[in-house]
Amino acid sequence: DSGVTQTPKHLITATGQRVTLRCSPRSGDLSVYWYQQSLDQGLQFLIQYYNGEERAKGNILERFSAQQFPDLHSELNLSSLELGDSALYFCASSVTSTYNEQFFGPGTRLTVL
Amino acid sequence: GENVEQHPSTLSVQEGDSAVIKCTYSDSASNYFPWYKQELGKGPQLIIDIRSNVGEKKDQRIAVTLNKTAKHFSLHITETQPEDSAVYFCAASNPNNAGNMLTFGGGTRLMVKP
Repeated sequence: DSGVTQTPKHLITATGQRVTLRCSPRSGDLSVYWYQQSLDQGLQFLIQYYNGEERAKGNILERFSAQQFPDLHSELNLSSLELGDSALYFCASSVTSTYNEQFFGPGTRLTVL
Repeated sequence: GENVEQHPSTLSVQEGDSAVIKCTYSDSASNYFPWYKQELGKGPQLIIDIRSNVGEKKDQRIAVTLNKTAKHFSLHITETQPEDSAVYFCAASNPNNAGNMLTFGGGTRLMVKP
C-alpha cells in the first residue's frame, strides 16, 4: 500500500458525460500527479500540481482539467467523454515538486459506453 | 520531449533464472530513472531507481545499471520467483522547477514459470 488513495475504483458512464476522479496523496506529500494508462498509449503523464498550483502539463486534453485543494487532495475532471477516454487513471504523489520518488495510487478504471 | 523505449515487450523465464529488461532514453538532460512493477489490478509500485551520478544500484535480487553515454539503463532480476511475474515499466525524468513528469517505456510482461 503506497499511502495514495483514489476514488472511485471503477466508474462506468456514457459518452458526453462528465466525471470527477479524486485523489488523496501520501501524508506529507505536497505534489500530486495524474497519469492515464491505456492499451494503445501506455502510461502517459497528464498534469502535476504542487501545493495547490499547477506545475507541469503533459498531453492533457482541453476537455480534462484538474485542481489541488488546500487540504492537498486533487480532483481530475473529465468532460464531454468519448469512447477513447476509457482507461485507467492513476494519481501519484511526491514530497516536493522536484523530489524524485513518485508513489502511485491504485487507480480509477473509467469505462465510457 | 523525452522518449523511452523498452525491450522486450514480453519475457518468459524459468523460476530461478535471471531476467533482464532494457530501456533507452533520448533526452540527455534526464537524470532520474525509476523502475515500477505493476501487478494485475494494481497501481505501479516503485521497486528501484537510479540517478545519473551512479552507474549501478542493487537491492537484494534486483539491480539497475545506467550507461549515460549510451543513454540506456537496465533492470536485472536474479533468482526469479513466480511472484516476480508482473508488468515492469522503466521511466525517465528530469526533475526541475518546470516539473517532474515521468516518461514511461511501453512495459515488459515478465512471466516466471514454476
